[in-house]
Amino acid sequence: AQSVTQPDIHITVSEGASLELRCNYSYGATPYLFWYVQSPGQGLQLLLKYFSGDTLVQGIKGFEAEFKRSQSSFNLRKPSVHWSDAAEYFCAVSSNTGKLIFGQGTTLQVKP
Amino acid sequence: DVKVTQSSRYLVKRTGEKVFLECVQDMDHENMFWYRQDPGLGLRLIYFSYDVKMKEKGDIPEGYSVSREKKERFSLILESASTNQTSMYLCASSLSSYRAGGTEAFFGQGTRLTVV
Repeated sequence: AQSVTQPDIHITVSEGASLELRCNYSYGATPYLFWYVQSPGQGLQLLLKYFSGDTLVQGIKGFEAEFKRSQSSFNLRKPSVHWSDAAEYFCAVSSNTGKLIFGQGTTLQVKP
Repeated sequence: DVKVTQSSRYLVKRTGEKVFLECVQDMDHENMFWYRQDPGLGLRLIYFSYDVKMKEKGDIPEGYSVSREKKERFSLILESASTNQTSMYLCASSLSSYRAGGTEAFFGQGTRLTVV
């Protein structure tokens, strides 16, 4: 069975600083990996996804993520955070049958 | 655009009632999901359906059942609602991984269920 761990429940960064949100997954085969963002009171929006190929994936809003098979990780990064990035971020892994499992989420707070 | 529609945004039910949450998607997706979202616990999968009449238990199926009689509709049923089922319920759909090699899930706006 697949699973996802997001070790950081809450992260605070200053506006303009760089950001890295951690995600570790467990799955026996090559996973399909996703990052979603949920702003307060809003639905989930896909930031980026990894299916195969290049292990560095570019997404929307200036986000990127790197798939590292040896570390079972798919960390999300952004070089310079904006106040509007404050939200909850979810990492997810899908099996080859399509079953999609999410992590517990990381809440990002941005200091002015 | 993919549209996933949940029948209610807010619902208040009494303990012991049978509750139906309905979800409809308009993009011919094979996969449909029901999650519940609670603070600090993320999204937990209740049930997953990969085809009509086909389902698979998620991580927290106890107290819930599902029905998928048509491809576009996936219903979540609380057989006897309890206060610990008060939560935000999210429905999602995606293409079959066999058809597209894996695609992202698209979500409805959620149903906030309160059981009193």
